Amino acid sequence: DGGITQSPKYLFRKEGQNVTLSCEQNLNHDAMYWYRQDPGQGLRLIYYSQIVNDFQKGDIAEGYSVSREKKESFPLTVTSAQKNPTAFYLCASTVPGRGGGYTFGSGTRLTVV
Amino acid sequence: QKEVEQNSGPLSVPEGAIASLNCTYSDRVSQSFFWYRQYSGKSPELIMSIYSNGDKEDGRFTAQLNKASQYVSLLIRDSQPSDSATYLCAVTRGRDSNYQLIWGAGTKLIIKP
Repeated sequence: DGGITQSPKYLFRKEGQNVTLSCEQNLNHDAMYWYRQDPGQGLRLIYYSQIVNDFQKGDIAEGYSVSREKKESFPLTVTSAQKNPTAFYLCASTVPGRGGGYTFGSGTRLTVV
Repeated sequence: QKEVEQNSGPLSVPEGAIASLNCTYSDRVSQSFFWYRQYSGKSPELIMSIYSNGDKEDGRFTAQLNKASQYVSLLIRDSQPSDSATYLCAVTRGRDSNYQLIWGAGTKLIIKP
């Protein structure tokens, strides 16, 4: 079955440590997105990519980095510069131009310890 | 003014009744509109999409769009306890070719048996 796989499901980060969240899709979608969700808030866009080897900053990109070396993969690195990284991180994908909604992965819950 | 506004709730509805969820948006040229359901600790799941004025029905769900008044609503008939979740409204960012969705903060719906 096609879908988006995020791993790990839970991740604990120590102060000053970089961590990478994995997002892989087999839907053949061109566009991929990373969102952050905090309690009581909507989804906030971190980065997005519409094509391999190209990506754009979203509304809250500071302290995060991404790469898009393959169509199927869009990993997110949470760097030590992100001072408040504890949140629920969601990866999504879609086919731009079709007008359809996003398909989401199951999410990664990141906690600073 | 937020770009997409929803009443945060919680909205409490008796089992078997109609639940009515509302969403207003600020961008007059938004083209596509979506309702997602999100259970606690899970990722959002697309339940309805609507693109033109009027009503769109799918099973117990009806989405309503009024572009002149810039609102979109979701009706859930014969509400079930399993409908208890947070409902997120999302709209496309104008005619943005990058196909970004703008998200409301969600309305928490509680169906009381």
